[in-house]
Amino acid sequence: DGGITQSPKYLFRKEGQNVTLSCEQNLNHDAMYWYRQDPGQGLRLIYYSQIVNDFQKGDIAEGYSVSREKKESFPLTVTSAQKNPTAFYLCASSIDFNEQFFGPGTRLTVL
Amino acid sequence: QKEVEQDPGPLSVPEGAIVSLNCTYSNSAFQYFMWYRQYSRKGPELLMYTYSSGNKEDGRFTAQVDKSSKYISLFIRDSQPSDSATYLCAMRENDYKLSFGAGTTVTVRA
Repeated sequence: DGGITQSPKYLFRKEGQNVTLSCEQNLNHDAMYWYRQDPGQGLRLIYYSQIVNDFQKGDIAEGYSVSREKKESFPLTVTSAQKNPTAFYLCASSIDFNEQFFGPGTRLTVL
Repeated sequence: QKEVEQDPGPLSVPEGAIVSLNCTYSNSAFQYFMWYRQYSRKGPELLMYTYSSGNKEDGRFTAQVDKSSKYISLFIRDSQPSDSATYLCAMRENDYKLSFGAGTTVTVRA
């Protein structure tokens, strides 16, 4: 089955820790995205990548980092510099500008 | 002022009713308009997308865009309990960046 997988589903982070969220797609899409969703707010773009080995900052990139070494994979690291990381994180991919397909999400909680 | 405004609801309707969802926006350069459905604790899924002004129908769903008023709508006819979800509007210019509304939570009562 084609699709986007994210792991883990739930993640708990201690203060000062870096954590990495996984995103894998087998849709053969060139573009991949990371969003953050908070209650009462729309999805906000953290980073996006249009092609392997290239990525751009979105609206809220501070405290996050990404890599795009393979077409299928776009991991997101939440660093200790992100002061309010508790949120629902969504990964998406697209073959063109319009139809972004989303993964099931990772819920990150800071302890 | 947010770039995209969406009434957060919640909206509760009886089964069979018409659900009406709306978004307004301030950026006149938006050209592409989308509606996503998100079930609780899941990722959003694309329902409809339209280009420029006009109507688009897909089964029980109708999307409307009025660029002169900077207003988009989604109508769900003959609503079902399975339509209970959060509905997100999204829009963009001619690039990758989508701007989302905050989402409207809908409950359809059996």
